[in-house]
Amino acid sequence: DVKVTQSSRYLVKRTGEKVFLECVQDMDHENMFWYRQDPGLGLRLIYFSYDVKMKEKGDIPEGYSVSREKKERFSLILESASTNQTSMYLCASQTPDRVVNGYTFGSGTRLTVV
Amino acid sequence: QKEVEQDPGPLSVPEGAIVSLNCTYSNSAFQYFMWYRQYSRKGPELLMYTYSSGNKEDGRFTAQVDKSSKYISLFIRDSQPSDSATYLCAMSGSASKIIFGSGTRLSIRP
Repeated sequence: DVKVTQSSRYLVKRTGEKVFLECVQDMDHENMFWYRQDPGLGLRLIYFSYDVKMKEKGDIPEGYSVSREKKERFSLILESASTNQTSMYLCASQTPDRVVNGYTFGSGTRLTVV
Repeated sequence: QKEVEQDPGPLSVPEGAIVSLNCTYSNSAFQYFMWYRQYSRKGPELLMYTYSSGNKEDGRFTAQVDKSSKYISLFIRDSQPSDSATYLCAMSGSASKIIFGSGTRLSIRP
């Protein structure tokens, strides 16, 4: 079974801090994604990556950046955390030739910015 | 207008009832249709997928796709309390990017 591991389940950070959210997958998947999930708004795509050192903006990239130095690791960075970035953050991975298999998600990181 | 519309619920039904969950979409290029189940404090997990129009059955779950109406459904027969979760529809064209509905929260009362 593919495993997607997010390093923290819960995080509390202060406004203005630089925040790193880490995601690691163990099945050699090329594609990785970062979403945030908010009540009533569903899953919104922040950034995605189809290969090492490659990144593409999703629907809501403002205030975020990403890093993919190794195939198995995709990091989301909040450059200067703000209270409106309080949310559940979900990482997912996928192998591109198996679209029908969908994404495998991590368990999520619930981030609170105070 | 969102590409994928899903009623957020919450939906509460008694144990043993048949549950119907639905989504509509606007992009006729979508070919892959999926349903994810998300338990509280967990990430979504893929429950079922279908390609193009038609039905697919897996145990108590049936997924239906009507591309002419741009409408997909998930039916749960003999619903159980363990089915209580948020259900997200999702769809994709030929590329890898998947578009999600906002999710319907379902509660099965014992």
